[in-house]
Amino acid sequence: GNSVTQMEGPVTLSEEAFLTINCTYTATGYPSLFWYVQYPGEGLQLLLKATKADDKGSNKGFEATYRKETTSFHLEKGSVQVSDSAVYFCALSDVGGGFKTIFGAGTRLFVKA
Amino acid sequence: EAGVAQSPRYKIIEKRQSVAFWCNPISGHATLYWYQQILGQGPKLLIQFQNNGVVDDSQLPKDRFSAERLKGVDSTLKIQPAKLEDSAVYLCASSSPGQYNEQFFGPGTRLTVL
Repeated sequence: GNSVTQMEGPVTLSEEAFLTINCTYTATGYPSLFWYVQYPGEGLQLLLKATKADDKGSNKGFEATYRKETTSFHLEKGSVQVSDSAVYFCALSDVGGGFKTIFGAGTRLFVKA
Repeated sequence: EAGVAQSPRYKIIEKRQSVAFWCNPISGHATLYWYQQILGQGPKLLIQFQNNGVVDDSQLPKDRFSAERLKGVDSTLKIQPAKLEDSAVYLCASSSPGQYNEQFFGPGTRLTVL
C-alpha cells in the first residue's frame, strides 16, 4: 500500500540556518505530493504541492521538488525564522489509493533566535 | 472566505462516556474528512464523505464511532463509549473537486479521556 516516511524530529536550528526535512514515499501510481504545516494550537495548512515528476512546489521561501527516480519530496528553506517553528507533514494522494491522503508522522522544527 | 469550523475546541470526558464533535466545511466543498491525530503521529483518516454519502470508512472503529453528514454540509462525529486510547485531536477537513485533493483543515478538537 501507499506510505510516506519522513525524518524523525525534533529538528533544532538557529535562525537563518538552512533547513532540509527528508521525505520519501511508496505509491502504486503517480501521486500528488504535499507538505502541510501545523503551527501550535492550529490545524494543518497546505504549505506547497507538486502534482507530477520534476515539479517544484514553493511557498513562503520553502521549496520541494518531486523526484520520481528517488521517490522523494524533500522540504528545504535557505534561511529559517523563529516563526517557522512548527510541525511539518509530508503527504501523498494517489488515484491508486482512491485519492486518500496518506500523511507522514510529522517532523517538529524548533528555530532558536 | 470562511475556513473550516469545528467545535468544541477541547473536551475532557471519562471513559465509557459519549462525546460528539461538529464540523462545518468551507462553503461549496463537496468532500469532508474526519481524521484522528494521536500525539506525535500524522493524521489518520477515519471517514470521508462525498456530499452526504460515505466514500471511505475503512479505518473507522464502527463499534464505537459513528459519523453523519446530513444534507451534505455539516457533519458530526460521535464516540460512544469512549476509551482511553481515543484521546487525540480530531481534525475535520474539506476539499472541492479539481484541486488535486488539496484539503483545508479546521483547528481540531482535542479530546482527553480520563
